[in-house]
Amino acid sequence: GDSVTQMEGPVTLSEEAFLTINCTYTATGYPSLFWYVQYPGEGLQLLLKATKADDKGSNKGFEATYRKETTSFHLEKGSVQVSDSAVYFCALDNYGQNFVFGPGTRLSVLP
Amino acid sequence: EPEVTQTPSHQVTQMGQEVILRCVPISNHLYFYWYRQILGQKVEFLVSFYNNEISEKSEIFDDQFSVERPDGSNFTLKIRSTKLEDSAMYFCASSAQGTQETQYFGPGTRLLVL
Repeated sequence: GDSVTQMEGPVTLSEEAFLTINCTYTATGYPSLFWYVQYPGEGLQLLLKATKADDKGSNKGFEATYRKETTSFHLEKGSVQVSDSAVYFCALDNYGQNFVFGPGTRLSVLP
Repeated sequence: EPEVTQTPSHQVTQMGQEVILRCVPISNHLYFYWYRQILGQKVEFLVSFYNNEISEKSEIFDDQFSVERPDGSNFTLKIRSTKLEDSAMYFCASSAQGTQETQYFGPGTRLLVL
């Protein structure tokens, strides 16, 4: 079945560092890809999405590009802030199926 | 901006008791979902619901679970006889058009079974 793999955390960075969280997926067809963020004590919030190959999703300085050739959707941000500390979930939604989430990557940003 | 709401935010119950978790999806959405997240683990799909019936469910969604849309606004998840391993955060989500549309999540209900 469909699956999502993310780099294991926790990831600890200093403020203003560059962030990459790797995400790869296995799916038949052409799924939509998502990044969700979960801040401490809160629910899941959509961060960005891409619905077809080569699409780039972006929001709040975060970006991810849908790479079908490498089945990847890596999350990047050029300069992280303390307020970005959260758990980040990569997810896919394949036509006719339902969301499959990755295990989540905890990010801690130190001042 | 419209949002999905869930009540209660926290619930503590005794093993074997029934619980009902409530959700109010975004008003013009047609597809509804429940997920759960056991502490420290990944988010797992439970069930999807459309047109007043279950459209898909996972292996986790056994006979102890049921969902209902009792009126035009609420969407409920009932656990008939809770087990210790049902302790988790339960998220409701809704989407406008179903598959490949963005699902909007509620803040979750943290269920603790003692």
